Amino acid sequence: SQKIEQNSEALNIQEGKTATLTCNYTNYSPAYLQWYRQDPGRGPVFLLLIRENEKEKRKERLKVTFDTTLKQSLFHITASQPADSATYLCAKAGGSQGNLIFGKGTKLSVKP
Amino acid sequence: GAVVSQHPSRVICKSGTSVKIECRSLDFQATTMFWYRQFPKQSLMLMATSNEGSKATYEQGVEKDKFLINHASLTLSTLTVTSAHPEDSSFYICSARESGRTGEKLFFGSGTQLSVL
Repeated sequence: SQKIEQNSEALNIQEGKTATLTCNYTNYSPAYLQWYRQDPGRGPVFLLLIRENEKEKRKERLKVTFDTTLKQSLFHITASQPADSATYLCAKAGGSQGNLIFGKGTKLSVKP
Repeated sequence: GAVVSQHPSRVICKSGTSVKIECRSLDFQATTMFWYRQFPKQSLMLMATSNEGSKATYEQGVEKDKFLINHASLTLSTLTVTSAHPEDSSFYICSARESGRTGEKLFFGSGTQLSVL
């Protein structure tokens, strides 16, 4: 079956360091992957979308990579801040009507 | 950016009562809206796809008679949890994509935390 996995349930880092989160997929080749941020008790907020023919995409302190050989996307936050603390979700396209299938997420905690 | 408004944000109700959750796209039209459910420390799981003017499509294992979905206009979808029981306690989130756009991001409501006593 097609799977999208975020194997790290939690990641703790020091302020100022780069946070790197991993999303792996198996048994399919997604046309794109998306990354969302979710704060406690809130809905997800879109961050970045990367297509299979794109190696890397950046937005301010955020960077996403897509490696079709490793079947993996990496999400980086440089110069991390305590305000970056949240759960980050990786998502792939679902059915024909346009829904998304999400990974379990990685809870990032940035300590001052 | 596009805004999806979801109401109420929190509901506490007695077992056996029905609860209605509203999801509105404020500045765009949404032919299709999606309803997700999220249990603590779990991923968002799609419950159903709501289509304006037609019947909703439910995912396997989701009871359509228990989770009633109405998408009466291009800006409003409602989810009614009928005869709620404690096992229905969860975080319900709606989402939408602008009509005519595919393969792009979804806009999410702020979610509804349902607690059934």
